[in-house]
Amino acid sequence: SQTIHQWPATLVQPVGSPLSLECTVEGTSNPNLYWYRQAAGRGLQLLFYSVGIGQISSEVPQNLSASRPQDRQFILSSKKLLLSDSGFYLCAWSVRSRQGGSPLHFGNGTRLTVT
Amino acid sequence: GENVEQHPSTLSVQEGDSAVIKCTYSDSASNYFPWYKQELGKRPQLIIDIRSNVGEKKDQRIAVTLNKTAKHFSLHITETQPEDSAVYFCAASLGGGSYIPTFGRGTSLIVHP
Repeated sequence: SQTIHQWPATLVQPVGSPLSLECTVEGTSNPNLYWYRQAAGRGLQLLFYSVGIGQISSEVPQNLSASRPQDRQFILSSKKLLLSDSGFYLCAWSVRSRQGGSPLHFGNGTRLTVT
Repeated sequence: GENVEQHPSTLSVQEGDSAVIKCTYSDSASNYFPWYKQELGKRPQLIIDIRSNVGEKKDQRIAVTLNKTAKHFSLHITETQPEDSAVYFCAASLGGGSYIPTFGRGTSLIVHP
């Protein structure tokens, strides 16, 4: 069966420090991969998505970046964190489907607090 | 692009009552409509989904209905229980290999014992 691992679960970082969040998927090949951010009590904001190794699309301008060095690995990074980067970060994957939509499977999330 | 509106933003019911959450979408080419449940502090999880070739789908106490003509779909929860309390998100995806769902803003469902 497929599983998704995301770490760390919580992170407290000072303003201006770097960030690296990692996500890996097991049990499937060539998944679509996503990074979402969720502010407290708010909806799901798509940050990045990827359809293949090295293929990253950004949905919103920001000081974050993403990389996909391997088929089932997705990394979210920042060189210098801002206070506004605080939030709940969710990695997700979905299968490629000719029908179009397929369900997203989310990781357990990383709660980031920038102080 | 696709736009999904979700109502209400908050829904408060008594245990045992039914709850209905409605979503409308703008692009008639959308053909996949999932619903996710997110408990406090946890990840969203798929609870039910429907494709455009089906009008209704049920799974125990939950059901989803789709009206393609009116471009809206609804989540129905019967005999609500306190553990149904969560935020529910609807989403819509276009066909033709599209892989980016458009989410609604979410509905906070509170079930009072």
